[in-house]
Amino acid sequence: KAGVTQTPRYLIKTRGQQVTLSCSPISGHRSVSWYQQTPGQGLQFLFEYFSETQRNKGNFPGRFSGRQFSNSRSEMNVSTLELGDSALYLCASSFSTGVNTEAFFGQGTRLTVV
Amino acid sequence: SQQGEEDPQALSIQEGENATMNCSYKTSINNLQWYRQNSGRGLVHLILIRSNEREKHSGRLRVTLDTSKKSSSLLITASRAADTASYFCATDEGNSGYSTLTFGKGTMLLVSP
Repeated sequence: KAGVTQTPRYLIKTRGQQVTLSCSPISGHRSVSWYQQTPGQGLQFLFEYFSETQRNKGNFPGRFSGRQFSNSRSEMNVSTLELGDSALYLCASSFSTGVNTEAFFGQGTRLTVV
Repeated sequence: SQQGEEDPQALSIQEGENATMNCSYKTSINNLQWYRQNSGRGLVHLILIRSNEREKHSGRLRVTLDTSKKSSSLLITASRAADTASYFCATDEGNSGYSTLTFGKGTMLLVSP
């Protein structure tokens, strides 16, 4: 079974631009979560989608948004990029959103804002 | 915000030795999960322990959970150089009926040949 696939792996953008990251979950998994990892803040939850609906959202500004498609693939978008948005963005997929469900992560997209 | 806090922040051992990492958290949880991350890459799921479990094993890994102390430990026995990585605990509070993981800052483990 293929794992979680994130594209692209690396991205360099300029301040003020916007960026879209993609995540394809494990086949059969319907829940997709996004996390931001930085050296200073560690791993922080961005949002979670299940069946095309955002079920939960972390404490990030409105510049961070996402969506999920009917095939469970998800995208996250960051508008008006700031230098502080440079981070590793990780996507995780789960079979469901129930408790005690393991989350499987992709390799991440490393975003550098210059 | 950080829920889990790993201790120590860094650990350096020789191959063959055991490595123990600890995690403390603040609120009640549904489960606690341990992950490994190699050099800024994706997270690899190691083990999930439910709030009603006290100990769990997977290969060379042993995880304990003490909900009264709000703490967990990960023991890696007979460490190998390939175990060199950062290890994170993540708590699932899930009081909204769905799962959100809150991660600690991790323990960096270096296993020298």
